[in-house]
Amino acid sequence: KAGVTQTPRYLIKTRGQQVTLSCSPISGHRSVSWYQQTPGQGLQFLFEYFSETQRNKGNFPGRFSGRQFSNSRSEMNVSTLELGDSALYLCASSLDSSGVTDTQYFGPGTRLTVL
Amino acid sequence: SQKIEQNSEALNIQEGKTATLTCNYTNYSPAYLQWYRQDPGRGPVFLLLIRENEKEKRKERLKVTFDTTLKQSLFHITASQPADSATYLCALDNGGSYIPTFGRGTSLIVHP
Repeated sequence: KAGVTQTPRYLIKTRGQQVTLSCSPISGHRSVSWYQQTPGQGLQFLFEYFSETQRNKGNFPGRFSGRQFSNSRSEMNVSTLELGDSALYLCASSLDSSGVTDTQYFGPGTRLTVL
Repeated sequence: SQKIEQNSEALNIQEGKTATLTCNYTNYSPAYLQWYRQDPGRGPVFLLLIRENEKEKRKERLKVTFDTTLKQSLFHITASQPADSATYLCALDNGGSYIPTFGRGTSLIVHP
């Protein structure tokens, strides 16, 4: 079974631009979560989607948004990029529920650099 | 305030020894706690989950303990190998909130 895939793997943007990241979960997984990982803050939860609905949301500004499609693929969008948005963005999928009650499988991440 | 603490200093051990990593938490009431392994430039890989009513969980050379009184989880790797070198993250929920919080992780370096 193929793992979680994320595209692109690397991205360089400038301040003020917007970016869209894509995640394809493991086949049959319906929950997709997004995380931001930085050396300073560690791994932080952004949001979780289940059946095309945002079910949980972390403490990030509204510039961070996401969506999930009927095939469970998910995208996240960051508008008006800031230097502090430079990070590794990770997507994780799980069969049904989110968080620690169900095993999450992480993708390789998208490394975003904002100049 | 809520905190999850993992030793920020790298743990250096010799091959064959047992590595013990610590995860302490404050002001959480977790129903579950997970341990992940993360290699540089890659996403975390799930290792073990332990529930609040479980004291210990084992999987091959891995063992996790969970003490809700001490608010601490210990993660052990027995007969460690250089291939075990990685960063190990603990993650917990807050009483079933389904929003997991991760520790910063501890780097383990196993020397041959």
